[in-house]
Amino acid sequence: GQNIDQPTEMTATEGAIVQINCTYQTSGFNGLFWYQQHAGEAPTFLSYNVLDGLEEKGRFSSFLSRSKGYSYLLLKELQMKDSASYLCAVRRSGGSYIPTFGRGTSLIVHP
Amino acid sequence: DTEVTQTPKHLVMGMTNKKSLKCEQHMGHRAMYWYKQKAKKPPELMFVYSYEKLSINESVPSRFSPECPNSSLLNLHLHALQPEDSALYLCASSQDQGQATNYGYTFGSGTRLTVV
Repeated sequence: GQNIDQPTEMTATEGAIVQINCTYQTSGFNGLFWYQQHAGEAPTFLSYNVLDGLEEKGRFSSFLSRSKGYSYLLLKELQMKDSASYLCAVRRSGGSYIPTFGRGTSLIVHP
Repeated sequence: DTEVTQTPKHLVMGMTNKKSLKCEQHMGHRAMYWYKQKAKKPPELMFVYSYEKLSINESVPSRFSPECPNSSLLNLHLHALQPEDSALYLCASSQDQGQATNYGYTFGSGTRLTVV
């Protein structure tokens, strides 16, 4: 099975940097996704990591360490519109290849 | 077109009603999914269709019945639901179900279902 852990809630100030962590345990690993979800809206794809290291995409970066079962999403120059839930999802190798979502981290950005 | 369209956006139904949720995509994706999401919880997988055939049913009660009429359409037929089935129902699609899908799943905006 899989066990995915994220903090429930984080707060940060507009313009700051915030790091959202995700730890996972899985019997096989085939990639990790980060999604952003605003309240009542669809999750939107942010990043995908399958190899160790940092992937940078504008203000958002995602890091993966497979040996540690650890990923983080780094958000720079925070804006009020970044207030949302951030979902980590892990895909197992073999089987269905369908990712399992963590419970999500609710990020609140204040002025 | 890079969207997944779901209708209706909101639905209120009684426990004896029959209704259907609809999902449509025109990205040429061959895998389509139904998820259920309760407030402040992650999406939970219900069904997966791959090349128009049901490939995964996550032990969903039979009062939920999926249908894939063609590669662009996915329906979820609802009958005799319970109040605890009230949730956001999300449809998603991807190029395919397998390992080649590295760039995420495209989600629709969901149907907010309330069972009274």
